[in-house]
Amino acid sequence: DQQVKQNSPSLSVQEGRISILNCDYTNSMFDYFLWYKKYPAEGPTFLISISSIKDKNEDGRFTVFLNKSAKHLSLHIVPSQPGDSAVYFCAASRGSTLGRLYFGRGTQLTVWP
Amino acid sequence: GAVVSQHPSWVICKSGTSVKIECRSLDFQATTMFWYRQFPKQSLMLMATSNEGSKATYEQGVEKDKFLINHASLTLSTLTVTSAHPEDSSFYICSARDPRQGDNYEQYFGPGTRLTVT
Repeated sequence: DQQVKQNSPSLSVQEGRISILNCDYTNSMFDYFLWYKKYPAEGPTFLISISSIKDKNEDGRFTVFLNKSAKHLSLHIVPSQPGDSAVYFCAASRGSTLGRLYFGRGTQLTVWP
Repeated sequence: GAVVSQHPSWVICKSGTSVKIECRSLDFQATTMFWYRQFPKQSLMLMATSNEGSKATYEQGVEKDKFLINHASLTLSTLTVTSAHPEDSSFYICSARDPRQGDNYEQYFGPGTRLTVT
């Protein structure tokens, strides 16, 4: 049962424009959400996170938005750069599970010049 | 930031043999480490949660006798794939939480180990 879903397997964006990656979840007990970036044959690297008590968190070019009522979060990257091309994973956790992360299937972002 | 290493990064073994993969937290002590498996173009699948000084907690469907996990110290967890078969070929990744971060659930991932069983 996939509790975290990324319904778009791929996204292609022109350099300089905004990239919006979406993620939906089904478990209302999730209270912490994270985005990871992954290159082939490498481990994921942490990008940005958000607690369920917030609806927005910003770090440089990256902003994560959380809509708890819709059980939806999104990652905005602006401006997009070719180096952002990678697979982006959405993950969720809840306090009672001691940090266990539930991952989506990932979205391949391609930023072209 | 916290650093997690894995060794080896790439290994080829013959069917029927066993392979050990190490996961180390380099600049922090991790009471909990996680082992994931990733198939091509698939998500990260949690295999087990490794707890220092106690038995690992395996996810449903993961054979504990085939994937032996030992978390003998606060900086080292090992995954041993026993009697490996070609279907065990995959990308194995470990991660760890830095307990100094409190309620922050961020996990730091190792670079992964590509296992190929011939």
